Amino acid sequence: KNQVEQSPQSLIILEGKNCTLQCNYTVSPFSNLRWYKQDTGRGPVSLTIMTFSENTKSNGRYTATLDADTKQSSLHITASQLSDSASYICVVNYPGGKLIFGQGTTLQVKP
Amino acid sequence: EAGVAQSPRYKIIEKRQSVAFWCNPISGHATLYWYQQILGQGPKLLIQFQNNGVVDDSQLPKDRFSAERLKGVDSTLKIQPAKLEDSAVYLCASSASGRNTGELFFGEGSRLTVL
Repeated sequence: KNQVEQSPQSLIILEGKNCTLQCNYTVSPFSNLRWYKQDTGRGPVSLTIMTFSENTKSNGRYTATLDADTKQSSLHITASQLSDSASYICVVNYPGGKLIFGQGTTLQVKP
Repeated sequence: EAGVAQSPRYKIIEKRQSVAFWCNPISGHATLYWYQQILGQGPKLLIQFQNNGVVDDSQLPKDRFSAERLKGVDSTLKIQPAKLEDSAVYLCASSASGRNTGELFFGEGSRLTVL
C-alpha cells in the first residue's frame, strides 16, 4: 500500500531558528514529490517539487532533500519567520497518476 | 491570473440538511479535483474530473455525495443528507496537465460545520 507519513505532527520553534520536517514514503519509484505550505484558512500552495533522481531543491529559505535509499524527504527551513507558521504537506505523485498526501506537520513560529 | 474560486467560504447546517459548494478553476485547466480535509489531517481526494468526465471517484461516498462538472469548467459538490462527520474543509483544486506532472492549484476552501 502506498503511504506517506510525516513527522513530527506539530512543532514549535522560536523565530530565527532552523527546523526540519520529515516525510517518509513506502513505495518507489515515483514521478515527483512536492512539499506544499498551507496557511491557516487557505488552500495549500506548492513550495518545491523533486523528481525521483534529484537529491536537493531550494526555494529561498526552504530546502527539500530526497534520500531514495531510506525513502525519506526532508524540508529544511532556515532562519524561520513568523510567516512560516503553517501546515506543511508532503505529496507523492506515483506513476499512473495517483497522488498520496501526508497528514501534514503544523509549524508554529513564536517571537 | 485569477486563482481557483470557491464559495461559500463558510457554511453551518444541521445534520440531515443538504449543502452545495461551487468551484471555478483556473482558466484553461482541464483537471479539477475535490478534496475533503478534516481538521489536523491531509486532504483526501473525493473526485477528479478531466474536462467534464470523471477520472476517479473511488473515495466519494456516493450515497450522500455527488459532484458534477457539466460544461468542463466550473463544478459543484453536493452533500445530501449531511452527517456530523462531514464537518471539514472542502478544497477544490485544478491543474493544467493532470496528476502525472502538474502542480495542483487550490482554492481557499469551503468550511462546513454540521451540527
